[in-house]
Order: sequence, then C-alpha cells, then structure tokens
Amino acid sequence: GENVEQHPSTLSVQEGDSAVIKCTYSDSASNYFPWYKQELGKGPQLIIDIRSNVGEKKDQRIAVTLNKTAKHFSLHITETQPEDSAVYFCAALNVNTGFQKLVFGTGTRLLVSP
Amino acid sequence: GAVVSQHPSRVICKSGTSVKIECRSLDFQATTMFWYRQFPKKSLMLMATSNEGSKATYEQGVEKDKFLINHASLTLSTLTVTSAHPEDSSFYICSARGQTVYEQYFGPGTRLTVT
Repeated sequence: GENVEQHPSTLSVQEGDSAVIKCTYSDSASNYFPWYKQELGKGPQLIIDIRSNVGEKKDQRIAVTLNKTAKHFSLHITETQPEDSAVYFCAALNVNTGFQKLVFGTGTRLLVSP
Repeated sequence: GAVVSQHPSRVICKSGTSVKIECRSLDFQATTMFWYRQFPKKSLMLMATSNEGSKATYEQGVEKDKFLINHASLTLSTLTVTSAHPEDSSFYICSARGQTVYEQYFGPGTRLTVT
C-alpha cells in the first residue's frame, strides 16, 4: 500500500522567512495530494491541494509543487506569520481505486517566531 | 469549505462506560464518513470508513465491537466507544466526503478522557 514520508518533523523560522515541507510517496498510482493545517486541539483544515496533472499550484502565500517522476511533493509558505504556526500534514490518495483512503504523512510542526 | 461538526468536543467518562460521539455534515450530504484517532504529536490513524446505510469497514487492528460506527443518514455518523478504558483516551476526528474524493472535510475533533 501507499506510504508517505514527511520532513522535517519540526521547523522553526523567523517571521517573514519562507518555510518548505517535503513529502515523498511510494505508490506511483497516487494522483491527489492535499495539505492540511492542524492547530492545537482542532481538526485538520485543507489549505491547498494538487492533482497529478499539474506540477505547481499557488494560493497567495502558499504553493505546492509536485514531481511525479521522483514521487515528491512540497509545501511552500512565503512571508511566514506567527499565525502560520501549526502542524502541517501532507497526504496522498489514488482517486481511481475503490479504496480512496487518504494516507497521511507524519506531520511537521512549524513554529514561526515574531 | 464545507462544515463538519462533532459533538461533544470534550468528554470525560469513567472506565467501563460507553460514550457516543456524533459527526454531522452541516451543509452537504456525506456519502462516506471516516473516523480517525490521533495520539499526541502523531499523525491521523484511520479507524474505519462508513457509507450511509452500510456497515462500516474497519482498519486492521481496530476492534469493531469496541468502536461501533453507525452512519444513519447522509449527514450523521456516530462512533460509540463501548466499555471504555483509559487506553481509549485519545483525540477522535471524523471526516465527511461529499460527491467526489476532492470534497473531504474534517470535523474539529473530540477529546475523550477515560478515568
């Protein structure tokens, strides 16, 4: 089955810096890759996603890139703000299979210091 | 995005009792609902998947008689932890999926503490 690895496990940056979180997946059939932000004591919230037919997607300060050949996808946050501090999870899914279960990465704790 | 609610947000129960957690999709019909468990500083662990009107499909290692799931309607799923023990203490999160796999939204979670 699918396995998703996520790095780093923790990331500390200064406000205004950029942050990059990387994920690697094992199943080349995976074709949908969402990213979630989870604040303390809350459920995950979808912040951006990418499908396998595109290589990059951007939404204001956040962007996601996908390298299907290398089976890597990354989350980029620019001009970080203290409110970006949270745990971020990547996930992968094959929309063409009957199972269609999200497989999550292990999470990255992002701390943005003022 | 769509809204998924969970109730209660926090619950404390005594060992041996049962507790029910509700998950509702507030503004869309959820053909599929998922229940996750999350340990501190860990990722989400899928417990079971349920489709409206059907029996839930449990992940390997999850006891179906302990974690009863009922997907009674297109907007409501419940998770009942039966005969709860302290090791069942955890953060339980539901997720609801609409018409497509791209429409999957998570609830705010329920913190269960078993004393």
